[in-house]
Amino acid sequence: AQSVAQPEDQVNVAEGNPLTVKCTYSVSGNPYLFWYVQYPNRGLQFLLKYITGDNLVKGSYGFEAEFNKSQTSFHLKKPSALVSDSALYFCAVRPPLDTGRRALTFGSGTRLQVQP
Amino acid sequence: DSGVTQTPKHLITATGQRVTLRCSPRSGDLSVYWYQQSLDQGLQFLIQYYNGEERAKGNILERFSAQQFPDLHSELNLSSLELGDSALYFCASSGKAGASDTQYFGPGTRLTVL
Repeated sequence: AQSVAQPEDQVNVAEGNPLTVKCTYSVSGNPYLFWYVQYPNRGLQFLLKYITGDNLVKGSYGFEAEFNKSQTSFHLKKPSALVSDSALYFCAVRPPLDTGRRALTFGSGTRLQVQP
Repeated sequence: DSGVTQTPKHLITATGQRVTLRCSPRSGDLSVYWYQQSLDQGLQFLIQYYNGEERAKGNILERFSAQQFPDLHSELNLSSLELGDSALYFCASSGKAGASDTQYFGPGTRLTVL
């Protein structure tokens, strides 16, 4: 069974500084990894995904994520944080294609607070 | 806007009652997923339908059921409601099965059981 860990409940960063939201995963086979963001009273918005290929994945709103197979990590990053980036961020993993399963397993979420 | 719509946005009901949540997937998407988000359980997968047929089940209670209709919209039925069923219920949709299909989420239905 697959699992995702987001070790930080909250990350605080000053506007303009780089940010990192951590995610580690456990899955048999090649992982399919996703980041979603949830703003208050809104649904989950897709940010980016890693399927295969380049370990650095670029996504929406200037976010990127780095896949590290040896450390089983998929950390979300942004070079310069904005106050508007303040939200709840979820990392998710999907089983490999050959399992036939598509459901996402989510981490517990990390609240990002960007101070002006 | 993801293109996935859910109704109603809010639902307040009493214990023991039954409710139906509705989801319309993005145009052309064949798969519909239901997820539950609660404070104590986090985001959990409930059930998936693909082109009208049940494909996978997660942590879905026997009191809950779902279906996907020929026009591909889906309904999640929750019965004999308990206080602990209060949560945000999300629907997501994705295209034809493939390695890179992304799930796009609706705005959710917030269910409050009193």
